[in-house]
Amino acid sequence: AQSVTQPDIHITVSEGASLELRCNYSYGATPYLFWYVQSPGQGLQLLLKYFSGDTLVQGIKGFEAEFKRSQSSFNLRKPSVHWSDAAEYFCAVASSGAGSYQLTFGKGTKLSVIP
Amino acid sequence: SQTIHQWPATLVQPVGSPLSLECTVEGTSNPNLYWYRQAAGRGLQLLFYSVGIGQISSEVPQNLSASRPQDRQFILSSKKLLLSDSGFYLCAWRRDSPYNEQFFGPGTRLTVL
Repeated sequence: AQSVTQPDIHITVSEGASLELRCNYSYGATPYLFWYVQSPGQGLQLLLKYFSGDTLVQGIKGFEAEFKRSQSSFNLRKPSVHWSDAAEYFCAVASSGAGSYQLTFGKGTKLSVIP
Repeated sequence: SQTIHQWPATLVQPVGSPLSLECTVEGTSNPNLYWYRQAAGRGLQLLFYSVGIGQISSEVPQNLSASRPQDRQFILSSKKLLLSDSGFYLCAWRRDSPYNEQFFGPGTRLTVL
């Protein structure tokens, strides 16, 4: 069965600093990988996605992620964090079965931004 | 463009009462639909998914049920709520694309007292 690990529960960075959120996955085949962001009390917004092709993918809000098959990782990065980036971030892997694709999520990383 | 709605936004219910949460999708046809629950500090758990009208798959045994009476409507129900049913319930639909990404609704905050 597939699984996703986000080793950092909570990260605090200063505004303007760079950011890297870690994600490791376990999946037997080529994975569909995603990063979502959730503000308090809101639904999840898709930041970026990967299935194949270029291993460095660009997303919305200035985020990017790099797929590393050898490390089973899909880390999220941003070169300069803004206060509005404070939120919870979820990494997810999709697997197929019974005619549908199901997402398995990590437990999330809460990002706090210091002015 | 596609949009997804959930109703109600918040709900406070007593233990033992029934539940009905509604999710509707606009701008697409025959979507795959999903119900997730998010409990504090526990990430998101897939509860049900549906590939078409009347077709429901359950991921975990629980006090809840789901139905899909129309193509773009997905309903989450319970006959008798438990305290453990409290949480944030999210509906999602899957885009039929090479990435199979899912898009989420705004969620329903359910508190069972």
